Amino acid sequence: DAGVIQSPRHEVTEMGQEVTLRCKPISGHDYLFWYRQTMMRGLELLIYFNNNVPIDDSGMPEDRFSAKMPNASFSTLKIQPSEPRDSAVYFCASSSETGGPHEQFFGPGTRLTVL
Amino acid sequence: AQKITQTQPGMFVQEKEAVTLDCTYDTSDPSYGLFWYKQPSSGEMIFLIYQGSYDQQNATEGRYSLNFQKARKSANLVISASQLGDSAMYFCAMRDDSNTGKLIFGQGTTLQVKP
Repeated sequence: DAGVIQSPRHEVTEMGQEVTLRCKPISGHDYLFWYRQTMMRGLELLIYFNNNVPIDDSGMPEDRFSAKMPNASFSTLKIQPSEPRDSAVYFCASSSETGGPHEQFFGPGTRLTVL
Repeated sequence: AQKITQTQPGMFVQEKEAVTLDCTYDTSDPSYGLFWYKQPSSGEMIFLIYQGSYDQQNATEGRYSLNFQKARKSANLVISASQLGDSAMYFCAMRDDSNTGKLIFGQGTTLQVKP
């Protein structure tokens, strides 16, 4: 079974541009998470979904950030307009509530650089 | 509020020796889960081991074991017989079962294994 898939793996853009990060969770997982990792702030949870519904978006930094999950196999994180301080690695993760410890499986991450 | 603390920013260990990475947590919830993840230099996040708050025995997974001391609120990771491939950043995380799915991560500990 394929793991969590993220695209693009690397993104370089200029300040003010719109950036869209994409994620395909593991099939059958009902939770999806978006994280941001920086040296200064470590790993931060931005938002998470359960059964495609946003549950907690308290970690979203500001209105420039938005996330959607139109169906169980796809989610996007959009930054508009982007700023240099948004440069980070963005991870998507998914998990299942069905049995087990509900560990989160992470995608490879998208390294975003905003110039 | 829930909190995870990893007090060791960096650790060194000699190859083939054992090493303990510290993690303390704070929660008022009686039911919770504790996780350890490994992040090698390639960047992916790899799930290593899980301990539930009601588990009677310490979790073990191969060379990884979790030294769970509930009264002290500590969940230290022990890696036995260190290998060069164990060099990575290690994150401790906690999930409280009142908010299923969401993890709170510590700041991480960088482990370097010396040949």
